[in-house]
Amino acid sequence: NAGVTQTPKFQVLKTGQSMTLQCAQDMNHEYMSWYRQDPGMGLRLIHYSVGAGITDQGEVPNGYNVSRSTTEDFPLRLLSAAPSQTSVYFCASAEGSSYNSPLHFGNGTRLTVT
Amino acid sequence: AQSVTQLGSHVSVSEGALVLLRCNYSSSVPPYLFWYVQYPNQGLQLLLKYTSAATLVKGINGFEAEFKKSETSFHLTKPSAHMSDAAEYFCAVSEGTDKLIFGTGTRLQVFP
Repeated sequence: NAGVTQTPKFQVLKTGQSMTLQCAQDMNHEYMSWYRQDPGMGLRLIHYSVGAGITDQGEVPNGYNVSRSTTEDFPLRLLSAAPSQTSVYFCASAEGSSYNSPLHFGNGTRLTVT
Repeated sequence: AQSVTQLGSHVSVSEGALVLLRCNYSSSVPPYLFWYVQYPNQGLQLLLKYTSAATLVKGINGFEAEFKKSETSFHLTKPSAHMSDAAEYFCAVSEGTDKLIFGTGTRLQVFP
């Protein structure tokens, strides 16, 4: 099994550009989430979804959009990139609610906004 | 909102020494607590989780953690460090039914 697959692995954007970070899982998990990881700040939850058609905001949702049209995919969209969005982004999925089942993480997307 | 505090952003130990990574949580109700580990250039992996079944929780790779309600702590320990334990460790607490809030992480270095 591939598990959680994130693409691309690296990306450089200019301020104001838009892009979509892709996340796909092949474990039929209902729960999916996006985190950003910054030095000294740990992981912060951006958005999450408890099933297809359902999304909700996490701790730091501003500047990001998500959608969940299928169980497998949970893309993260940056509408107008800003230098403050330079970070490593992780997608994670779980079989049940996040506290009940272990999160399975992708290997991350390293994003630089200049 | 729930939160976790990890004391010490960096911990260094010698190979064979005791590993102690500290985590304190804030919660008015018994929470679910987790420890995750991140090896370089990888995502996080679950080490262990506390879900109120037992206060001493054993995880993978010889790690364990003890839930102490009176101290609101969930410290991670391993009796004897190995070089392969060098990684970043994150404590996390559940918030509500569908959010997991992570601490800022502790980087463990193991010296020969």
